[in-house]
Amino acid sequence: AQSVTQLDSQVPVFEEAPVELRCNYSSSVSVYLFWYVQYPNQGLQLLLKYLSGSTLVKGINGFEAEFNKSQTSFHLRKPSVHISDTAEYFCAVSEPNQAGTALIFGKGTTLSVSS
Amino acid sequence: DAGVTQSPTHLIKTRGQQVTLRCSPKSGHDTVSWYQQALGQGPQFIFQYYEEEERQRGNFPDRFSGHQFPNYSSELNVNALLLGDSALYLCASSTGRRHEQYFGPGTRLTVT
Repeated sequence: AQSVTQLDSQVPVFEEAPVELRCNYSSSVSVYLFWYVQYPNQGLQLLLKYLSGSTLVKGINGFEAEFNKSQTSFHLRKPSVHISDTAEYFCAVSEPNQAGTALIFGKGTTLSVSS
Repeated sequence: DAGVTQSPTHLIKTRGQQVTLRCSPKSGHDTVSWYQQALGQGPQFIFQYYEEEERQRGNFPDRFSGHQFPNYSSELNVNALLLGDSALYLCASSTGRRHEQYFGPGTRLTVT
């Protein structure tokens, strides 16, 4: 069965510093990969997605992620964070050839940005 | 363009009761998925509806059932509520075979 591991449960960082949130998945087949952000008391917002093509994917709010098939990783990066980036971040995977399009999520990483 | 909407926002129920949650997908979307998010956890897939049929189901008991209407809106029903059913229930919509899903704000269910 598919699984997603987010290696850090909490990441504290200062404003304007770079950040990397790590995500590994377990699958021997092709997958689609996603990062979502959840602000307090809200639903999930899609940050970026990898379906095919270039392994470097750019998303909203200055975030980007790199798909590494050999390491089964999809780490999220931002070169300079803002206070407003404080939120919960979820990595998710789905399989192209299954009956439906269910997303399997990791447990999340709490990004805390302080001044 | 309205996004995914869910109702109610919050709900308090007693153990053993039944509950119905509702979801309207984003305009132009025909597929609805439901997820359960326990406190401090990532969302877990419950099931997905497409063309009014359950297309895919996660590892949830039969107490969890759903329905999709001809206008693509959907309901999630949970029978015989347990304390462990307390969670944020998220609805997501998408189009056909496209895998990116767009989420609603969720319904916070508390079972006492």
